[in-house]
Amino acid sequence: EPEVTQTPSHQVTQMGQEVILRCVPISNHLYFYWYRQILGQKVEFLVSFYNNEISEKSEIFDDQFSVERPDGSNFTLKIRSTKLEDSAMYFCASSSFRATEAFFGQGTRLTVV
Amino acid sequence: AQTVTQSQPEMSVQEAETVTLSCTYDTSESDYYLFWYKQPPSRQMILVIRQEAYKQQNATENRFSVNFQKAAKSFSLKISDSQLGDAAMYFCASGYGGSQGNLIFGKGTKLSVKP
Repeated sequence: EPEVTQTPSHQVTQMGQEVILRCVPISNHLYFYWYRQILGQKVEFLVSFYNNEISEKSEIFDDQFSVERPDGSNFTLKIRSTKLEDSAMYFCASSSFRATEAFFGQGTRLTVV
Repeated sequence: AQTVTQSQPEMSVQEAETVTLSCTYDTSESDYYLFWYKQPPSRQMILVIRQEAYKQQNATENRFSVNFQKAAKSFSLKISDSQLGDAAMYFCASGYGGSQGNLIFGKGTKLSVKP
């Protein structure tokens, strides 16, 4: 069964460093999403991406965040200068179309020290 | 702005019994989707059940069913014949803008299942 794959499963980074979280969406999907879940809190929408453009973003998704689809298979989330409060689980998701089911990856746990 | 509220931080059920998790939401949209996601300790997000707002019939998936009250903006999840593997965090979510990927989540309900 096709699935969304995220790497790495756990990343530790120093405060102020740049980090790139990687996702491989399901191959024929066109819509991509990133979510964040701070430990013990709810899952929060960050950004949606379609046709090589951001289609929607939340207030959380400020200038320190960026997304990219560098090739035909990967979808990345870059955090430019990490802060302690960026420590969270980051989920990637993808869907065939806007109004079809979004499938989540297993998440990347980011720890900023 | 859309909101999703889960008023039960924790719930407990005896194995084989039935439990209902509550969720209310607020939206100005006429066409939207509602979801229940399960998050086990592995923290994977697993879709349990989905409801399309224009459908009056409540969605069911095996032991999982919803009670969708559109006028009251209520969307509860009923788990029948609870199993130990049902123990997890359950998140209610609302899709907006006609999307199933742009989701607003509630704070979650932690479900424990007692043997």
